[in-house]
Amino acid sequence: QKEVEQNSGPLSVPEGAIASLNCTYSDRGSQSFFWYRQYSGKSPELIMFIYSNGDKEDGRFTAQLNKASQYVSLLIRDSQPSDSATYLCAVLPYSGAGSYQLTFGKGTKLSVIP
Amino acid sequence: GAVVSQHPSRVICKSGTSVKIECRSLDFQATTMFWYRQFPKQSLMLMATSNEGSKATYEQGVEKDKFLINHASLTLSTLTVTSAHPEDSSFYICSAWDIIAGELFFGEGSRLTVL
Repeated sequence: QKEVEQNSGPLSVPEGAIASLNCTYSDRGSQSFFWYRQYSGKSPELIMFIYSNGDKEDGRFTAQLNKASQYVSLLIRDSQPSDSATYLCAVLPYSGAGSYQLTFGKGTKLSVIP
Repeated sequence: GAVVSQHPSRVICKSGTSVKIECRSLDFQATTMFWYRQFPKQSLMLMATSNEGSKATYEQGVEKDKFLINHASLTLSTLTVTSAHPEDSSFYICSAWDIIAGELFFGEGSRLTVL
């Protein structure tokens, strides 16, 4: 069974600090990795995705992927109270052509303390 | 970016009635859409995969006769909760896969309250 594991948190960081969110996945053939942010009572919104090993930066967000360790992380620099939300890691396993079903982790709740 | 629109955003109904929720991809064609349910403080639960022009694929434990899914066009999927009961009260979210962008976009969600 394909699984995506995240620490449920809550992860508390002071305003201005770096928040580090981690995710591991079981399917070694997974090809794409996504980070979503979900505010309470709202639907998830895509922050960024990563396909290749290494780092990918977008503003204050950096996604890091290590396929050998089956590990993907999201760093949030200069954390703001508005970043307080649940962060969902999602993985697209390889299931052949035409399959687009992401496997989601249960999410990590981040709390940025002013 | 691509937009997925979900309607209604909130619905309150009496027990025993049926409720239809629509999910539209506004600027891309979506051959595959997904329906999720999320209870308060819980994680997303995939209910079914909706494929345009064919029957939906339901996850284990989801009653296909209770949660009717129709994906009649490349931009619209509907979820009908039939004979709704209070335990069906939840946040229902759809998502659509934009093949060209290689991204999954979510609708705004529909909060169903069954009295």
